[in-house]
Amino acid sequence: EAQVTQNPRYLITVTGKKLTVTCSQNMNHEYMSWYRQDPGLGLRQIYYSMNVEVTDKGDVPEGYKVSRKEKRNFPLILESPSPNQTSLYFCASSLSGGRAGYTFGSGTRLTVV
Amino acid sequence: AQSVTQLGSHVSVSEGALVLLRCNYSSSVPPYLFWYVQYPNQGLQLLLKYTTGATLVKGINGFEAEFKKSETSFHLTKPSAHMSDAAEYFCAVSDLSSGNTPLVFGKGTRLSVIA
Repeated sequence: EAQVTQNPRYLITVTGKKLTVTCSQNMNHEYMSWYRQDPGLGLRQIYYSMNVEVTDKGDVPEGYKVSRKEKRNFPLILESPSPNQTSLYFCASSLSGGRAGYTFGSGTRLTVV
Repeated sequence: AQSVTQLGSHVSVSEGALVLLRCNYSSSVPPYLFWYVQYPNQGLQLLLKYTTGATLVKGINGFEAEFKKSETSFHLTKPSAHMSDAAEYFCAVSDLSSGNTPLVFGKGTRLSVIA
């Protein structure tokens, strides 16, 4: 089944403790992206990648890192999480970027206390 | 840069009534437009998309949307609401003005269906 898989689904952590949210797609998509969803703000792009070893900032990149060492994987790294990073995170992939639409993962609900 | 405005953060309709969710966009280039649906505790699922060609686009679950360039609108409709349609709906536009081509989302409209 074609899908984007994120782990974990739920995560509660403490301020400053490094964490990684994994994302993997099995559709051989070149484009991958991370979004965060907050009430009243919709979805905002954090980082994106157009291919292996090519990543760039989206609209809200502060406090996040990403890497794209393999085509299928695009982990999101929070080096020192803070409470304002409490949010619902979505990984998405696309064959040809926004013009084709994205396939989304099921989301990771992160709480930073 | 593109932007999307969804009128009404919450819409409530009776079961069997018409569903109309409004979306207006701003774009300096011909847009690619999308509607996504998010059910509770789930990710986003593509309902339909407009790229080129026919301006009336049919999607899944009986939804359709019409691209009206003169009004810069892409409203989502369904003739008869069903209880299972209760969800949050997001309109999105693809930003073709840069190589990134991200999806730019509206803030969402929560649809409630009353029995």
